[in-house]
Amino acid sequence: QQPVQSPQAVILREGEDAVINCSSSKALYSVHWYRQKHGEAPVFLMILLKGGEQKGHDKISASFNEKKQQSSLYLTASQLSYSGTYFCGTAYNNNDMRFGAGTRLTVKP
Amino acid sequence: DTGVSQDPRHKITKRGQNVTFRCDPISEHNRLYWYRQTLGQGPEFLTYFQNEAQLEKSRLLSDRFSAERPKGSFSTLEIQRTEQGDSAMYLCASSFSLLVGTGTSNEQFFGPGTRLTVL
Repeated sequence: QQPVQSPQAVILREGEDAVINCSSSKALYSVHWYRQKHGEAPVFLMILLKGGEQKGHDKISASFNEKKQQSSLYLTASQLSYSGTYFCGTAYNNNDMRFGAGTRLTVKP
Repeated sequence: DTGVSQDPRHKITKRGQNVTFRCDPISEHNRLYWYRQTLGQGPEFLTYFQNEAQLEKSRLLSDRFSAERPKGSFSTLEIQRTEQGDSAMYLCASSFSLLVGTGTSNEQFFGPGTRLTVL
């Protein structure tokens, strides 16, 4: 089943923060986060494997609440390069993944 | 390593024709995935391989679609009797899994995709 992402789109000024949420109706094995820029392939950001796990990547971090079956991606002090569409990929077993519809992030100077 | 490559990058075909796409994964990766992506949507899972074995196929994949990975290296995706609804970006991704059943513990590296337009 496809996870639900929110918001669908967000516009920020450089230096502002944003949170993107990813919710599932089923228990999750893992959550993946990817960023895709227009006309390019998705690029891996991070994986969260355990409930409650948090990971960080520069000023981008994520949490995984296994009980609530959701994950959140945190972007702090946003930069122009953060612009793109962010996808969460949720895995319900060890084998395949389902992607959300994406959150389009635009960072303006 | 040059990453995942796909060929062709663009394909325009007429309805009813057959098309075949190729994906070359990162050489040491034993898992290979095919996805389809339409405008404004996330990648939609089609199928995946562990080495040469096709382990799962989406229920959304009609009988007109077939994928192979004959030697556990490159893979091909064929669409027979194409329809206008098949127009999309077809993405390939690869990953490495030490153990069977741990595939989604590892990041997937995506290729640039093949954009299919069916007229």
